[in-house]
Amino acid sequence: DADVTQTPRNRITKTGKRIMLECSQTKGHDRMYWYRQDPGLGLRLIYYSFDVKDINKGEISDGYSVSRQAQAKFSLSLESAIPNQTALYFCATSDFTREGADTQYFGPGTRLTVL
Amino acid sequence: GNSVTQMEGPVTLSEEAFLTINCTYTATGYPSLFWYVQYPGEGLQLLLKATKADDKGSNKGFEATYRKETTSFHLEKGSVQVSDSAVYFCALSYDRGSTLGRLYFGRGTQLTVWP
Repeated sequence: DADVTQTPRNRITKTGKRIMLECSQTKGHDRMYWYRQDPGLGLRLIYYSFDVKDINKGEISDGYSVSRQAQAKFSLSLESAIPNQTALYFCATSDFTREGADTQYFGPGTRLTVL
Repeated sequence: GNSVTQMEGPVTLSEEAFLTINCTYTATGYPSLFWYVQYPGEGLQLLLKATKADDKGSNKGFEATYRKETTSFHLEKGSVQVSDSAVYFCALSYDRGSTLGRLYFGRGTQLTVWP
């Protein structure tokens, strides 16, 4: 079974709709991240969480919110989706204490299309 | 601030050709440097990393050396295979203060290897 899972894998929605993307991990890591990937732009950090009580904005948090429901779960919400939020979204985890601060493990991604 | 610049793609090579993908970085202090690879339809996975100057990371025939004097971390492979076709991302992590554990990605370089 995959260590980092994302649901849904694909989603098509309409402008103005509320959307939630979910991420779960079985790696036991404290740190979780949400990125979006756009062609030619690489990955950009939306939000990150170093533990259940710690949530931080990344480079492009406007229009997004997150919830860290448990160590293993980190959800990303688009309160009112707009077309320029069409992208590939990745969740990632890392564990500072066991493997150093840096190696991140990525989920398979969610392809979101906003019409 | 922290940033990564990598050569633009796409890069197209024949099987067994030599590969170089250039990566330079800007950071304050002493970041760790990474190469991540994204195979078609998948999330990113760590390819190799180096945590201090002059370290060489290596994996699956790929190598990169952390050059502080030129602020570079170029990816090389002596003989590429069709299975190496993927998008390659250079990244840095600057483990100081509030940025601890965050990854800063380059824009990615698409590599296609033809038989």
